Amino acid sequence: AQSVTQLDSHVSVSEGTPVLLRCNYSSSYSPSLFWYVQHPNKGLQLLLKYTSAATLVKGINGFEAEFKKSETSFHLTKPSAHMSDAAEYFCVVSAADTGRRALTFGSGTRLQVQP
Amino acid sequence: GAGVSQSPSNKVTEKGKDVELRCDPISGHTALYWYRQSLGQGLEFLIYFQGNSAPDKSGLPSDRFSAERTGGSVSTLTIQRTQQEDSAVYLCASSSWTSGSTDTQYFGPGTRLTVL
Repeated sequence: AQSVTQLDSHVSVSEGTPVLLRCNYSSSYSPSLFWYVQHPNKGLQLLLKYTSAATLVKGINGFEAEFKKSETSFHLTKPSAHMSDAAEYFCVVSAADTGRRALTFGSGTRLQVQP
Repeated sequence: GAGVSQSPSNKVTEKGKDVELRCDPISGHTALYWYRQSLGQGLEFLIYFQGNSAPDKSGLPSDRFSAERTGGSVSTLTIQRTQQEDSAVYLCASSSWTSGSTDTQYFGPGTRLTVL
């Protein structure tokens, strides 16, 4: 079985300050991990993915995430927030190597960016 | 290139009616997925197609829900005798997964279903 816990339902930052969105996962197998972003009334857009190559993964729009197996974490960071980053962010786990293809989503973190 | 498209973007229906939701995957993607996003339940997997067959239907909430895929392309999700709890955004995703690779799923904009 696999699961994802996003530790904060809401995060508020000021424009230009760092962003940290926290995610812990549980998986019986070597997981693939993703971060998706959803802007209001839009579909889900892939930010980045971890696939057991490099533990530090760089994504689009300046986001990156670090896979830490010892902490079972996959936190999303960005050095400097922009107003356009305001959206809902989902941490997602896949256990495709088990044969199960469904993604398991966290409950989401809503990021607010204050001017 | 074109992404995943879904239609309609919004659907309002009366309780007890049947609805059909359509998904056009990215051209060449062999895998297609349906998910549901609702306030109370978050994002949930419904069903997955590889080609025209559905190896995993484990997320379909009841026998009122069914889906098919034809020609390895377009998929239709059908909800019969809709109930108010079916109100949600239905998301479709597709991927070009091949064995041994990581499956990256690309999502459409969704269909917002409201059951009155």
